[in-house]
Amino acid sequence: AQTVTQSQPEMSVQEAETVTLSCTYDTSESDYYLFWYKQPPSRQMILVIRQEAYKQQNATENRFSVNFQKAAKSFSLKISDSQLGDAAMYFCAYRSYSGGGADGLTFGKGTHLIIQP
Amino acid sequence: KAGVTQTPRYLIKTRGQQVTLSCSPISGHRSVSWYQQTPGQGLQFLFEYFSETQRNKGNFPGRFSGRQFSNSRSEMNVSTLELGDSALYLCASSLVQGFLIETQYFGPGTRLLVL
Repeated sequence: AQTVTQSQPEMSVQEAETVTLSCTYDTSESDYYLFWYKQPPSRQMILVIRQEAYKQQNATENRFSVNFQKAAKSFSLKISDSQLGDAAMYFCAYRSYSGGGADGLTFGKGTHLIIQP
Repeated sequence: KAGVTQTPRYLIKTRGQQVTLSCSPISGHRSVSWYQQTPGQGLQFLFEYFSETQRNKGNFPGRFSGRQFSNSRSEMNVSTLELGDSALYLCASSLVQGFLIETQYFGPGTRLLVL
């Protein structure tokens, strides 16, 4: 079974600075997706960024980028120019290609990101 | 496009009762997955439906069931409620390319409290 580990239960960053959230995962598969989701106090789960394992290029979405290290099974999220609206729980998630992805997402425990004005 | 909608948003039940939660996916999305979120266990996969068929189920007892209709809307049912079933239940929908699920988009969730 796959596991996802987020070793930082809470992170704090000053507004406008850069912060990196860590995620490691364990799998024996070679084809899979990795995701970062954000869950603000409203509890709505919002997709931040997605990475396909076969792609060597790291995904980027505006101020959000990832550092995907497949051999090390590491998938960190970098948030540049942090804004107050970035405050939320951030979840790293894994999904296999096998079975069409019907096994569902495996989530980490989450990192609570605090933005200090 | 409208997002994933879930009804009801909040629900209070007592032990032993049953409950049905509903999820309407984004238009064109044919896969619907359900997740349970609790402070202790975090986010856990319940089941996934595609073309009215349950393709997989997570490690939950048989009290948890679901179904999908021909319009891709899905319901999940929990019978004989226990206190530990109190949770946020999240529904996610996605496009399917071939049989491969694409990115999942989540609804706002249904918060269930069992007394």
